[in-house]
Amino acid sequence: KNEVEQSPQNLTAQEGEFITINCSYSVGISALHWLQQHPGGGIVSLFMLSSGKKKHGRLIATINIQEKHSSLHITASHPRDSAVYICAVRYNYGGSQGNLIFGKGTKLSVKP
Amino acid sequence: GAVVSQHPSRVICKSGTSVKIECRSLDFQATTMFWYRQFPKQSLMLMATSNEGSKATYEQGVEKDKFLINHASLTLSTLTVTSAHPEDSSFYICSARGVRQQETQYFGPGTRLLVL
Repeated sequence: KNEVEQSPQNLTAQEGEFITINCSYSVGISALHWLQQHPGGGIVSLFMLSSGKKKHGRLIATINIQEKHSSLHITASHPRDSAVYICAVRYNYGGSQGNLIFGKGTKLSVKP
Repeated sequence: GAVVSQHPSRVICKSGTSVKIECRSLDFQATTMFWYRQFPKQSLMLMATSNEGSKATYEQGVEKDKFLINHASLTLSTLTVTSAHPEDSSFYICSARGVRQQETQYFGPGTRLLVL
């Protein structure tokens, strides 16, 4: 069964703390996405990874293909980072039409 | 980055009525569009995938006659919830991908549907 597991489910941090959210999956993938869902529901695509590491501002995403694991890091966290962070993977279906499978999300709350 | 819009953002309707939700890609040609549904505190669940000019592919358990999807152009897809019932109340999100975008999907802001 293809599953995407995220941890932790909920995370509360103080402003300025370094945040790590983890994602693990079960079989080979062609791409992994990190998404941010705001309290109103809107979704923003943060990163798409197939290998290595990407950085955008205070956000860093890494992926270890051998270990089937990805992490999303937030440096110097801020209350505006409070959101649900979702990991989604596209499994290898032999073509580009493989659908995204979503984790249940990690709800992050950053306190001032 | 690419932008996907949805309209309306929120809709309240009476049971038995039909509701149409529009999804537009604003600055790219979306050859593939995806429709998701999200219940409170749940993951996004794919409802259907549509390729421009062809019939949508529905996921198991999603009634194609109830959730009508039209992807008539490279920038517009519509989802019509026919004869809506309270259990259809949910957050509906579209996502789009174009040829140039390769694997990247861009998500719309979602439409919150409440059926009374």
